[in-house]
Amino acid sequence: DAGVIQSPRHEVTEMGQEVTLRCKPISGHNSLFWYRQTMMRGLELLIYFNNNVPIDDSGMPEDRFSAKMPNASFSTLKIQPSEPRDSAVYFCASSPRHQNTEAFFGQGTRLTVV
Amino acid sequence: DAKTTQPTSMDCAEGRAANLPCNHSTISGNEYVYWYRQIHSQGPQYIIHGLKNNETNEMASLIITEDRKSSTLILPHATLRDTAVYYCIVRSLNTGTASKLTFGTGTRLQVTL
Repeated sequence: DAGVIQSPRHEVTEMGQEVTLRCKPISGHNSLFWYRQTMMRGLELLIYFNNNVPIDDSGMPEDRFSAKMPNASFSTLKIQPSEPRDSAVYFCASSPRHQNTEAFFGQGTRLTVV
Repeated sequence: DAKTTQPTSMDCAEGRAANLPCNHSTISGNEYVYWYRQIHSQGPQYIIHGLKNNETNEMASLIITEDRKSSTLILPHATLRDTAVYYCIVRSLNTGTASKLTFGTGTRLQVTL
């Protein structure tokens, strides 16, 4: 298994542009998590899905951020419009069906907004 | 979910056991203790988890006190590749699906020669 796949690995964009981060969870996993990591705030949970349904989006910073999971094998995190303070590493993770099993993380997308 | 407290940093000599403590005094009966680590520039990696019994796997051992208010992660023979930030997380039990996984600030373990 290739693990959780995130794309792109690196993204540099100008302030005001739309940014879309993509995640392919491990096949058969039914839970998906989006995290953001910065030096100042550490690893923050933004949103997570169970069976493609958003369960808790209380970590999404503001309306500029949106996440979707149209099917079990794909999720997107969109920032529109992007701002320099959105610069961070964004991680996606997935978990198998059974409760409280481990979450597997992708390698992350390093986003820089200039 | 219950909050955890960990030391900010620790050092360990290579080949020695690394014992990483975690306090979770407000843990409730249906909450598990999880440990993850994050090596520089990588995504977090699962290590081990437990409810109340001690657990061991190929990576580490987890010792949970009888009152479940604290735990210790033990890396029996630390190597330079174990240098990472180690996160202790308390996670509630859900029925049927995964529950929220919230990271704190962790312990930065430096393994030295």
